[in-house]
Amino acid sequence: DQQVKQNSPSLSVQEGRISILNCDYTNSMFDYFLWYKKYPAEGPTFLISISSIKDKNEDGRFTVFLNKSAKHLSLHIVPSQPGDSAVYFCAARTINTGTASKLTFGTGTRLQVTL
Amino acid sequence: DTAVSQTPKYLVTQMGNDKSIKCEQNLGHDTMYWYKQDSKKFLKIMFSYNNKELIINETVPNRFSPKSPDKAHLNLHINSLELGDSAVYFCASSQDYSEQFFGPGTRLTVL
Repeated sequence: DQQVKQNSPSLSVQEGRISILNCDYTNSMFDYFLWYKKYPAEGPTFLISISSIKDKNEDGRFTVFLNKSAKHLSLHIVPSQPGDSAVYFCAARTINTGTASKLTFGTGTRLQVTL
Repeated sequence: DTAVSQTPKYLVTQMGNDKSIKCEQNLGHDTMYWYKQDSKKFLKIMFSYNNKELIINETVPNRFSPKSPDKAHLNLHINSLELGDSAVYFCASSQDYSEQFFGPGTRLTVL
């Protein structure tokens, strides 16, 4: 049962344009959503997050939007740069006992920013 | 300075062998995790430890045994390796339930 889905395995965007990566989830108990970026042969790197009580969070070129009624979130990158080329994972959090959290990941979207 | 480090980076071994993967974090975090990324790229949590205490155990076979000698280390020992254990294993750490920081991964190949 895949609770977090990223239906687009890949996305190609021209440099300078907007990249929009999408994520859908099914579990209403998720309280926090995160985006991680991953380069080949490296571990995922935290990028940006959003609480379930908000609908938007912005950090520089990165903005995450949350639509709770649709159980959908998206990551916008503008303007896109060649260094943004990586695999982006959407993750949703549930808290265990207050001392640890469990992240449920999507399968990732490979973003390629072309010149 | 590497925040979360894992050794080895690559591990190739025969079926039936026992192997260990080591993880260390220098972030001062209380909580550490092991994740498995399989061939379909699903990244799934296996275990979580907080201050050397097991917090999360996601129905992982008994052949997998995490060991936390102190809160900066969480090692993963795997007995009687099987072909299906081939995957990339990621260690992560966090301060309680805040953002998790991941290590570079260990690619395990079982022949």
